[in-house]
Amino acid sequence: KAGVTQTPRYLIKTRGQQVTLSCSPISGHRSVSWYQQTPGQGLQFLFEYFSETQRNKGNFPGRFSGRQFSNSRSEMNVSTLELGDSALYLCASSQFGAADNSPLHFGNGTRLTVT
Amino acid sequence: GDSVTQMEGPVTLSEEAFLTINCTYTATGYPSLFWYVQYPGEGLQLLLKATKADDKGSNKGFEATYRKETTSFHLEKGSVQVSDSAVYFCALSDSSGGSYIPTFGRGTSLIVHP
Repeated sequence: KAGVTQTPRYLIKTRGQQVTLSCSPISGHRSVSWYQQTPGQGLQFLFEYFSETQRNKGNFPGRFSGRQFSNSRSEMNVSTLELGDSALYLCASSQFGAADNSPLHFGNGTRLTVT
Repeated sequence: GDSVTQMEGPVTLSEEAFLTINCTYTATGYPSLFWYVQYPGEGLQLLLKATKADDKGSNKGFEATYRKETTSFHLEKGSVQVSDSAVYFCALSDSSGGSYIPTFGRGTSLIVHP
């Protein structure tokens, strides 16, 4: 079974630009969640989508948004980039998400650098 | 709210040494507990899990026991290898407590020297 695929692996953007990250979950998984990982803050939950609906949201500004398509693929968008948005963005999929305490399967992440 | 506390790293060991990484948690319900491992340049991988009190999760020589009385889930391995060098995350998922957001610890870096 193919794992979680995130594209692109690396991105370099300038302050004020916007960026879209993509995540393809494991086949059959309906839950996709996104995390921001930084050395200072560790892993921070951004949001979770299940069957195309945002089910949970973390404590991030509205510049961070996402969506999920009918094939469970998900995209995350960050608008008006700030230097502090530089991080590793991880996507994780599971069959039903935290609702059934199922483990998460992570992609290798997208490394975003904002200059 | 739910929280997970891990020991600060880095933990530096020689090959074949015994490993313990401490993890304690607070949760309002009856969480499932997990250990994830992150190798350099990769995402997190599930290492082991336990879903109820006194369960022992094990994988690749690593073990952790769900201790409800001490709210702990310490990770242990009897003999570490250089290839075990990675960052280890303790996590909980507590749908019974009404929170559908998994909670992660800050991670503990393990460095194993030959």
